[in-house]
Amino acid sequence: ELKVEQNPLFLSMQEGKNYTIYCNYSTTSDRLYWYRQDPGKSLESLFVLLSNGAVKQEGRLMASLDTKARLSTLHITAAVHDLSATYFCAVAHNTNAGKSTFGDGTTLTVKP
Amino acid sequence: DSGVTQTPKHLITATGQRVTLRCSPRSGDLSVYWYQQSLDQGLQFLIQYYNGEERAKGNILERFSAQQFPDLHSELNLSSLELGDSALYFCASSSSGRETQYFGPGTRLLVL
Repeated sequence: ELKVEQNPLFLSMQEGKNYTIYCNYSTTSDRLYWYRQDPGKSLESLFVLLSNGAVKQEGRLMASLDTKARLSTLHITAAVHDLSATYFCAVAHNTNAGKSTFGDGTTLTVKP
Repeated sequence: DSGVTQTPKHLITATGQRVTLRCSPRSGDLSVYWYQQSLDQGLQFLIQYYNGEERAKGNILERFSAQQFPDLHSELNLSSLELGDSALYFCASSSSGRETQYFGPGTRLLVL
């Protein structure tokens, strides 16, 4: 059974600082998603990572995937208040295309 | 606005009842996914349809069923409702099933 572990679950940062959110998973997968959710809102897709070594960047967020280590990271550079949200990773099941398992989410608070 | 619509936005009903949630995907998207988000169980994948056919199945209860119609909209039917079914239900769509998923605003279900 695929298990996905995100850490930390809660993260309080100062504006301007850098930090990394980690997403570990237990079985082989060829796709990993990162999503953002604002309080009371829906999910917004941030990145889809499809291969080992994949790196994608959008603004102050950069995501990478190491399929051999079964690890993805979401790096935040020079955080700003607008990045405050909950971030989820989701890992696709190789044996059941379309099915994905989510991490518990990381709630990020960026303080001035 | 993701282009995915869901109705209704809110639904309050009683235990034992049956409800239908509706989702219209983005124009041109063939794949529809259903997810449940609750405090107890987090985000869970329920089911995926692609061009009218079931493509992947997740942790969907037998009391729940879904279908995708020829015009590509989808419905999620929840029956014999229990208190624990109270949750946010999201649908998402993608063009082929491997790329970015676009989420609808969700339906908040409260079972009393």
